[in-house]
Amino acid sequence: GQQLNQSPQSMFIQEGEDVSMNCTSSSIFNTWLWYKQDPGEGPVLLIALYKAGELTSNGRLTAQFGITRKDSFLNISASIPSDVGIYFCAGQRGGSTLGRLYFGRGTQLTVWP
Amino acid sequence: DGGITQSPKYLFRKEGQNVTLSCEQNLNHDAMYWYRQDPGQGLRLIYYSQIVNDFQKGDIAEGYSVSREKKESFPLTVTSAQKNPTAFYLCASSRTGDPNQPQHFGDGTRLSIL
Repeated sequence: GQQLNQSPQSMFIQEGEDVSMNCTSSSIFNTWLWYKQDPGEGPVLLIALYKAGELTSNGRLTAQFGITRKDSFLNISASIPSDVGIYFCAGQRGGSTLGRLYFGRGTQLTVWP
Repeated sequence: DGGITQSPKYLFRKEGQNVTLSCEQNLNHDAMYWYRQDPGQGLRLIYYSQIVNDFQKGDIAEGYSVSREKKESFPLTVTSAQKNPTAFYLCASSRTGDPNQPQHFGDGTRLSIL
């Protein structure tokens, strides 16, 4: 099955810095989703994007649905220690595969106080 | 509270045994999914079901089986045919036919081989 290309694989930053990560695909998606996973827990949805070019914010998080529908990025501004975790992008095609998600391998974020 | 409940949180299996992981949701979602997560990997789809009494194989279905007899429940059996079952298993659900309703996840079951 297809997996999305997510980068970077890991990030080590200082508290207060901004973070940027992205996801690319060789095929088009109708929906892009960003999840965060804390250790030993399930992923929690952060932002959902439904339209090419869409820019959506959730507090200090901002995500964009690429105009080509083959990429998306997530920015976190002014990082804090509780931002630590694994961030996953996911794409959804719709149609006959309605509901099925394809995931990136994740970006492990570490924030130093 | 509405949500997805996975049990148990931790599960240990002896070689050659089948084990069943439970997933229950009270969100009235039609679709349910099982994923496997290994360290440093994304989530890989094992099986999914868009409606009661119907399910489809995902990308890594070999060695696993599922049933969907009730809307709320989608148990996953890890059979002895699965040669490398140690992993973190995640269940998710969503509303079918509504692209604006993304998947929500349970808290997972960690399976280990004794």
